[in-house]
Amino acid sequence: AQSVTQLGSHVSVSEGALVLLRCNYSSSVPPYLFWYVQYPNQGLQLLLKYTTGATLVKGINGFEAEFKKSETSFHLTKPSAHMSDAAEYFCAVSGLDDKIIFGKGTRLHILP
Amino acid sequence: DVKVTQSSRYLVKRTGEKVFLECVQDMDHENMFWYRQDPGLGLRLIYFSYDVKMKEKGDIPEGYSVSREKKERFSLILESASTNQTSMYLCASSLFNYGYTFGSGTRLTVV
Repeated sequence: AQSVTQLGSHVSVSEGALVLLRCNYSSSVPPYLFWYVQYPNQGLQLLLKYTTGATLVKGINGFEAEFKKSETSFHLTKPSAHMSDAAEYFCAVSGLDDKIIFGKGTRLHILP
Repeated sequence: DVKVTQSSRYLVKRTGEKVFLECVQDMDHENMFWYRQDPGLGLRLIYFSYDVKMKEKGDIPEGYSVSREKKERFSLILESASTNQTSMYLCASSLFNYGYTFGSGTRLTVV
C-alpha cells in the first residue's frame, strides 16, 4: 500500500524567496515519485519525476526535488519564487502498477 | 506533445440523467485513468484501464462505469447523475511509470 502526506495545505512565500514544499511518502515497493502543478481551472502538469538513479531531480520552471529514502521524503524546492509560481502542487507516488496516489495538495501563495 | 482531450470543460446536468464524459489521447498510451477532484479531498481514482476492453475499479467506482472500445478513447459514464457527483473530473493517460498526462478537466454540475 502507498500513501502520500503533504505538510501544509497552504504555503506563503515572498517573491524572490526560497520555495519549499514538503512531501513524505509510504510505499511497500521501490517508489516512483512525482510532483505535479495545477493552475486554476486546468488539469495537472508534470513538474518532475523520480524513477531510479540520481536522487536529485530537476524539473521544469526551475523546480527540483530530492529523493531521500532514509527519510521517505521527496520535498520540492525552488531557489527564488516568482509570482507565476502561484498554483496548487501535488506530490504523488506509484508502484509497479502505474496507479498514482496523490497527496491532498499544497496551495502556494506568492507575496509581492 | 502528448495531448489528452476532454470533450467538455463545463457541463450542467439534471439529477437522474445519464452523463457521458469523453476522453481521447493521441500518443498511443496503454494506460488511461479517470479521477475526480474535490476541495480538501484531493484526487480520487474512479476507474482505470491498461488496455482496450479492459477496466479496473479504482477507489470510488460506485455510481460510475467506463468504456474503452478503442485504445485512444476512455469514456466515463454516470448512470444516473446525482448532486454528490458534482465535481471536477480529470482524465489522464500514461506509459507505465513515466507519469501521467492530464486533460484540462471537465467541471460537472448536477442540479
